[in-house]
Amino acid sequence: EVQLVESGGGSVQPGRSLRLSCEASGFNFDYSAMHWVRQAPGKGLEWVSGISWNSGDVGYADSVKGRFTISRDNAKESLYLQMNSLRVEDTAFYYCVKDIVAYSGAFFDSWGQGTLVTVSS
Amino acid sequence: QLVLTQSPSASASLGASVELTCTLGGGHRTSAIAWHQHRPEQGPRFLMKLNGDGSHKRGDGIPDRFSGSASGPVRYLTISNLQSEDEADYYCQTWGTGGVFGGGTKLTVL
Repeated sequence: EVQLVESGGGSVQPGRSLRLSCEASGFNFDYSAMHWVRQAPGKGLEWVSGISWNSGDVGYADSVKGRFTISRDNAKESLYLQMNSLRVEDTAFYYCVKDIVAYSGAFFDSWGQGTLVTVSS
Repeated sequence: QLVLTQSPSASASLGASVELTCTLGGGHRTSAIAWHQHRPEQGPRFLMKLNGDGSHKRGDGIPDRFSGSASGPVRYLTISNLQSEDEADYYCQTWGTGGVFGGGTKLTVL
């Protein structure tokens, strides 16, 4: 059974940083592209960032480009999101998501339960 | 630019069927999509991948009450024999220069 468990969320002030982690199990992590998707309060789902199986291809939504960095450690079967210069509008549940393909992105076929990030002064 | 358009809301009675739509914009009439279900207080759940020819593959454990079809740029999710637990938000998703989601449809089961 695929399991994706996020951690690292919390409450921070604008301008500060947070690092999210996702521990994966139940599938060949090495063979899957991975993503972060978020949902702000009262809003829909928004793709944040994605990374290919070998970290050779990464992408970001325009809203986070230059502030967030996605990375992965295949030996630890873990995905990360370093979030710097956080803004109030980054407040959301952040979900770790598995792709059906290894490279680039396609369709998301497994989701974690999410971790809440609140940015407020 | 690849855009997915969904109706904001839908409703149907317990035991009935409902059809949700997702319209591909930006000239991407043949693209495949995925459907996801998002219940309150839970992580989203992948329902199926739906191809432009209407063929689809459901995710693990997804009952056959959930089916997909396609016509031109429109992708459909049909839920038969509606259950109370089907009350949720439903999103279509595809890939452009990054992940692309529709705005979601809030389904109410009466």
